[in-house]
Amino acid sequence: EPEVTQTPSHQVTQMGQEVILRCVPISNHLYFYWYRQILGQKVEFLVSFYNNEISEKSEIFDDQFSVERPDGSNFTLKIRSTKLEDSAMYFCASSSPVSPHEQYFGPGTRLTVT
Amino acid sequence: QQQVKQSPQSLIVQKGGISIINCAYENTAFDYFPWYQQFPGKGPALLIAIRPDVSEKKEGRFTISFNKSAKQFSLHIMDSQPGDSATYFCAARKDSNYQLIWGAGTKLIIKP
Repeated sequence: EPEVTQTPSHQVTQMGQEVILRCVPISNHLYFYWYRQILGQKVEFLVSFYNNEISEKSEIFDDQFSVERPDGSNFTLKIRSTKLEDSAMYFCASSSPVSPHEQYFGPGTRLTVT
Repeated sequence: QQQVKQSPQSLIVQKGGISIINCAYENTAFDYFPWYQQFPGKGPALLIAIRPDVSEKKEGRFTISFNKSAKQFSLHIMDSQPGDSATYFCAARKDSNYQLIWGAGTKLIIKP
């Protein structure tokens, strides 16, 4: 069964550094998303991406964040100048054009900012 | 208005029993309500979903009950098994938006 994959599974970085989280969505999916989950808290929407542009973003997704689909398979989230409060699980999700509301999630990347 | 409230925070059920998790919402523009199951160290997995034009949807042992007038929906797990032990999240989405609005999650433990 096709699935969303994410790398790395765990990233440790120092405050102020830039990190890139990588995702490979399900191959025929056209809608891509990033969510985050701070330990013990709700899952929060960050951004959705369709047709090579951001279709929706939350208040959390400020200038510190950017997304890119650099080729036909990868979808990345870049966090510039990381802060301690960026420590969280980051989940990538994707959905198909047939059922765009059904979002399928990857296993997540645990980001630890020290 | 954007919130989805989920209860209980945790739930312990005996094997073979019925697990019931409840969610409530305020925004009547929401029109898609999925439930996700998450095991430790894994991403959320889509379990079952419903639209407000039906009051119930069943898939195997999992049933969503939807009460549009009360703006509430619930997940029922029949014949609960130890393998069902996980965290369950309800969510909601407006058709005009892409983002899912999530409940806080319910940690379900099924005792053998």
